[in-house]
Amino acid sequence: QTVVTQEPSLTVSPGGTVTLTCASSTGAVTTDYYPNWFQQKPGQAPRALIYSTTNRHSWTPARFSGSLLGGKTALTLSGVQPEDEAEYYCLLHYGGAWVFGGGTKLTVL
Amino acid sequence: QITLKESGPTLVKPTQTLTLTCTFSGFSLSAGGGTVGWIRQPPGKALEWLALIYWDDYKRYNPSLKSRLTITKDTSKNQVVLTMTNVDPVDTATYYCVRAFCGGSTCQSWPYWGQGTLVIVSS
Repeated sequence: QTVVTQEPSLTVSPGGTVTLTCASSTGAVTTDYYPNWFQQKPGQAPRALIYSTTNRHSWTPARFSGSLLGGKTALTLSGVQPEDEAEYYCLLHYGGAWVFGGGTKLTVL
Repeated sequence: QITLKESGPTLVKPTQTLTLTCTFSGFSLSAGGGTVGWIRQPPGKALEWLALIYWDDYKRYNPSLKSRLTITKDTSKNQVVLTMTNVDPVDTATYYCVRAFCGGSTCQSWPYWGQGTLVIVSS
């Protein structure tokens, strides 16, 4: 069974920079996995942030960026705002099926 | 403007069949490129992809749940229906429908989500 692994939790100071990563049990993540990233705040539906590794949606603030990093896919937040405190999920494609990561709880403190 | 809304029972008994409906607007599943999927989230847990249906009726299922899931569409009503058989308390979750943008065998983005509907499986 394919497992997608994210950091369970991270803490960042307001104005700081933080990188969340997403790894696949099958090996290095590439653009062929079409990585997507989502933000979810308590009591809300997930909101799409990044698609196909690096692309921001029209509503995604520029401080969010996606990349490939050391065999993983990554979401970097630069100039973190208090409202960025949330759970973040990655989604990877596996030959016609999709698997979410376990999520990273980001605390802004 | 693209919107999606899930509907269905809040409470289902174990072993029963769950039927959820996604009613959407702002796009069509009868035209090339339209794709709708279902994703669920147990309370306090991570998201889980369940199923996907393309405009041409091509379907994909989560392999671990494939035997229990059926996804169908009614293009005249702008609806997608997910059926899950033999439900168990572990199926208790918020179920979301999602508009995806797909090409070939994969989907590049999953930008539009419904608000979700909570389903509790309990006797």
